[in-house]
Amino acid sequence: NAGVTQTPKFRILKIGQSMTLQCAQDMNHNYMYWYRQDPGMGLKLIYYSVGAGITDKGEVPNGYNVSRSTTEDFPLRLELAAPSQTSVYFCASGLWLMRGRETQYFGPGTRLLVL
Amino acid sequence: DAKTTQPPSMDCAEGRAANLPCNHSTISGNEYVYWYRQIHSQGPQYIIHGLKNNETNEMASLIITEDRKSSTLILPHATLRDTAVYYCIVPRNDMRFGAGTRLTVKP
Repeated sequence: NAGVTQTPKFRILKIGQSMTLQCAQDMNHNYMYWYRQDPGMGLKLIYYSVGAGITDKGEVPNGYNVSRSTTEDFPLRLELAAPSQTSVYFCASGLWLMRGRETQYFGPGTRLLVL
Repeated sequence: DAKTTQPPSMDCAEGRAANLPCNHSTISGNEYVYWYRQIHSQGPQYIIHGLKNNETNEMASLIITEDRKSSTLILPHATLRDTAVYYCIVPRNDMRFGAGTRLTVKP
């Protein structure tokens, strides 16, 4: 198992450009999440998904969009990049069971710099 | 998520037990307590979780009070590699991380 993979590892964007951060998991997890982490700060939840075709907003969804057409993939779209979106982005997945949620597995992160 | 409260920072001597507290007074009966840690700039790593009974695994022990309003994560013999930010979470539908506790293990 590759676990949770994220691409790219690092990207520089100009203000106003758009891009898609890719996230994939091969563990057949139903839950997937996107977080951002600004320097010296904690993780903030952007969007999450409880299954294919279902997404919901987290704490800081503005400026982002997501889709979940398959169980495996959960891309994060930035439409008009702004300097405030400079951050490290982490994708995670987890399996919800009746007795409680199993652990989350995190990807290695994507470092994004908007200039 | 149910709100959790953790001290912002703690120190621990290498080889001693590190006891990290967490308050979660609004937890409801079927909600689990989860602990994660984040070492430097890596993605968070799962440590342990529990409902009402104390739990132990190869990384740590989790002690949950009888009223379930608080818990303590115990690293029995802290090493320098345990220096990290530790997060206590009580998830509902989503999984939100607070500020956590920055644990520094000192030689």
